[in-house]
Amino acid sequence: GQNIDQPTEMTATEGAIVQINCTYQTSGFNGLFWYQQHAGEAPTFLSYNVLDGLEEKGRFSSFLSRSKGYSYLLLKELQMKDSASYLCAVREDDYKLSFGAGTTVTVRA
Amino acid sequence: DTGVSQNPRHKITKRGQNVTFRCDPISEHNRLYWYRQTLGQGPEFLTYFQNEAQLEKSRLLSDRFSAERPKGSFSTLEIQRTEQGDSAMYLCASSYENQPQHFGDGTRLSIL
Repeated sequence: GQNIDQPTEMTATEGAIVQINCTYQTSGFNGLFWYQQHAGEAPTFLSYNVLDGLEEKGRFSSFLSRSKGYSYLLLKELQMKDSASYLCAVREDDYKLSFGAGTTVTVRA
Repeated sequence: DTGVSQNPRHKITKRGQNVTFRCDPISEHNRLYWYRQTLGQGPEFLTYFQNEAQLEKSRLLSDRFSAERPKGSFSTLEIQRTEQGDSAMYLCASSYENQPQHFGDGTRLSIL
């Protein structure tokens, strides 16, 4: 089985930085993925980590520590359009993703 | 660049009816996945195709559920004798080999 935990909600101010943590306990590990999902829309791929360390993609960065079963997604220079749900997902084998329940981020002016 | 396409976007049906959803993946992607998502939860894996071969079915997929990908391109997901608990968003995703999966907008199923 798998256990993937992330906070339910976070609120931040426009222009600020927000860090969304994700902890996992899974039987296997073959990558950790972050997706953004606006209400009623498809999850959109943001970033993934297979090895320990930081991956940076523009305003978004993702970090992984496999020994700690821990990842975070860092959103910088927050914009109103970043208000969405952020999903942490672990790939335990070659194909299947197991998702956390998602973190709803609200950006305030 | 056309993404993953799903139709219909919404389906409302009475309990006991059969429904079928279609997914057209990104054209060069050989893998296709079906997930189900309920309100406030992340997507849950249902099944996976490598080309036309269905390689895994989740235990969530009861005998009333069947999925096909006959020519290794589009896929259909059929639910027979729908129940209230089947109400959910059904998401399709595709990838080339084990590259990141790209999702469609989903089909929202409501059972009356």
